[in-house]
Amino acid sequence: QQQVKQSPQSLIVQKGGISIINCAYENTAFDYFPWYQQFPGKGPALLIAIRPDVSEKKEGRFTISFNKSAKQFSLHIMDSQPGDSATYFCAASKSSNTGKLIFGQGTTLQVKP
Amino acid sequence: EAGVTQFPSHSVIEKGQTVTLRCDPISGHDNLYWYRRVMGKEIKFLLHFVKESKQDESGMPNNRFLAERTGGTYSTLKVQPAELEDSGVYFCASSQERGRGGYTFGSGTRLTVV
Repeated sequence: QQQVKQSPQSLIVQKGGISIINCAYENTAFDYFPWYQQFPGKGPALLIAIRPDVSEKKEGRFTISFNKSAKQFSLHIMDSQPGDSATYFCAASKSSNTGKLIFGQGTTLQVKP
Repeated sequence: EAGVTQFPSHSVIEKGQTVTLRCDPISGHDNLYWYRRVMGKEIKFLLHFVKESKQDESGMPNNRFLAERTGGTYSTLKVQPAELEDSGVYFCASSQERGRGGYTFGSGTRLTVV
């Protein structure tokens, strides 16, 4: 059973546009929600993360929006650049647990120049 | 600081053979995790070590998979005998603290079983 559902599977955005990736989770015990960015041939790298006590977190062009009641969170990439082209994964975990991450299926983003 | 190192980067083996993957975590990171991504699907947790002890191996698919972390440093993941469905990218990650993110992932080992 997929505990974290991610959409869309792929996304094409023009340079300068806004990229939006959505995730939904089921387990209300999750209390840490990171986004990872992965380039071909590399491992996932932490991009930005949020905890459920805030509704939004912004770091540069990257923003996480979090809706606890809907059990959804999303990644917004403002002013998308070709260098942002990568696979993005949302994830969730419980701090009280071993720290293992439950990942979404990934979104392949292509930013066209 | 050196990152998490995994090798080999690629491995192609025949069904029924044995393969051993290795992960060298960041020095001083007690927590070491193995994950796997099968083509086009989500990255799935396999197991978690704290130093040399297995804390959680709930994600290990079956008894053909054996993970070790002797001495609490590097870790190996052995698949014996390999099956076609074991193909995928195996990632290792390490962290100082558990449950608070801060993972560093290796570049992965792409395993192809033919």
